[in-house]
Amino acid sequence: IAGITQAPTSQILAAGRRMTLRCTQDMRHNAMYWYRQDLGLGLRLIHYSNTAGTTGKGEVPDGYSVSRANTDDFPLTLASAVPSQTSVYFCASSDSIGSQPQHFGDGTRLSIL
Amino acid sequence: GQNIDQPTEMTATEGAIVQINCTYQTSGFNGLFWYQQHAGEAPTFLSYNVLDGLEEKGRFSSFLSRSKGYSYLLLKELQMKDSASYLCAVQDSNYQLIWGAGTKLIIKP
Repeated sequence: IAGITQAPTSQILAAGRRMTLRCTQDMRHNAMYWYRQDLGLGLRLIHYSNTAGTTGKGEVPDGYSVSRANTDDFPLTLASAVPSQTSVYFCASSDSIGSQPQHFGDGTRLSIL
Repeated sequence: GQNIDQPTEMTATEGAIVQINCTYQTSGFNGLFWYQQHAGEAPTFLSYNVLDGLEEKGRFSSFLSRSKGYSYLLLKELQMKDSASYLCAVQDSNYQLIWGAGTKLIIKP
């Protein structure tokens, strides 16, 4: 079944550790996005990518980095995790940066202790 | 700043009709979207409005008034499976989605 796969599903991490959240899509979409979802807040864009080889900063990029080496993969890295990064992280993709709808992965629930 | 407002929670009865409102103030407008999100799951696309008026899709309809910065999602013949959060999002001038916090809809038998 075509779609977006995120890994891991959930993770508990000690503060200060490095963590990479994986995201892979098989729809050949050009645009990919990373969001975080916190209780009482809307989804907030962390980073995005228009196409392979390019990335951009969203609303809340600090503490996160991304890469887009190919069309399918868009990993999100927390270089040194802090408790405020405890959240549910969603990866999404769309045909192009302005096209809709966005298709979402099932999310990664991350707890930083 | 950019802002999307929608009620935090609503309760409705199975078989009834419910209207979920969304008001927005954004830098530019390139469309308004409604997504459904069941607890612990990913958001899934429901509807898209870019012109004023009503878009109907089965039991769900979405309305937009750009001059008022207002939209609503209308759900008819409510079913228990409609219990979920409903997310309003606006695509701004940079084609980024600005999201509301979501409306949790509780359906009672």
